[in-house]
Amino acid sequence: AQSVTQLDSQVPVFEEAPVELRCNYSSSVSVYLFWYVQYPNQGLQLLLKYLSGSTLVESINGFEAEFNKSQTSFHLRKPSVHISDTAEYFCAVSSGGSEKLVFGKGTKLTVNP
Amino acid sequence: GAVVSQHPSWVICKSGTSVKIECRSLDFQATTMFWYRQFPKQSLMLMATSNEGSKATYEQGVEKDKFLINHASLTLSTLTVTSAHPEDSSFYICSAVLVYEQYFGPGTRLTVT
Repeated sequence: AQSVTQLDSQVPVFEEAPVELRCNYSSSVSVYLFWYVQYPNQGLQLLLKYLSGSTLVESINGFEAEFNKSQTSFHLRKPSVHISDTAEYFCAVSSGGSEKLVFGKGTKLTVNP
Repeated sequence: GAVVSQHPSWVICKSGTSVKIECRSLDFQATTMFWYRQFPKQSLMLMATSNEGSKATYEQGVEKDKFLINHASLTLSTLTVTSAHPEDSSFYICSAVLVYEQYFGPGTRLTVT
């Protein structure tokens, strides 16, 4: 069965510092990869996704993630974070043509002034 | 586009009663919707897959007689928690599928007293 590992449960950083949130998934023939962000007491918002094509995907608010098939990773990065980026981030994967998502346990990003 | 709503956003009910949560896709039709449960500071746990016009498919360990799912139309799925107990208190999130992607509702906070 597919599994997703987010190695860091909490990541504290200072404002304007770079950040990387790590995500690894178990190997599969074909995968779709997603990063979602969740603010307190809210649902999930899609941050970015990899379906096919370019392995580097970007969001409108400066985040990017790179699909690395050999390392089965999809790490999320941002070169300079803002206070407003403080939230919980979930990595998710679907595979084998299934619409079901398997979620990682989440990484709480806290941006401090 | 691709907006999903949930109603109510929060509900408090007494132990032994039933409560219904609605999930609607506002601007698209969805033959498949998913229901998740999220405990505090934890990831999303898939409860069931809701398919329009057919019975829901429940994940292992989820009581189908306790969590009744009805997907009566292409824009509405409902989750009814029957004979609620305090341990059913949780954050329930639905999603609707559009072109292989899931779009999430804002969630419903259920508290059983």
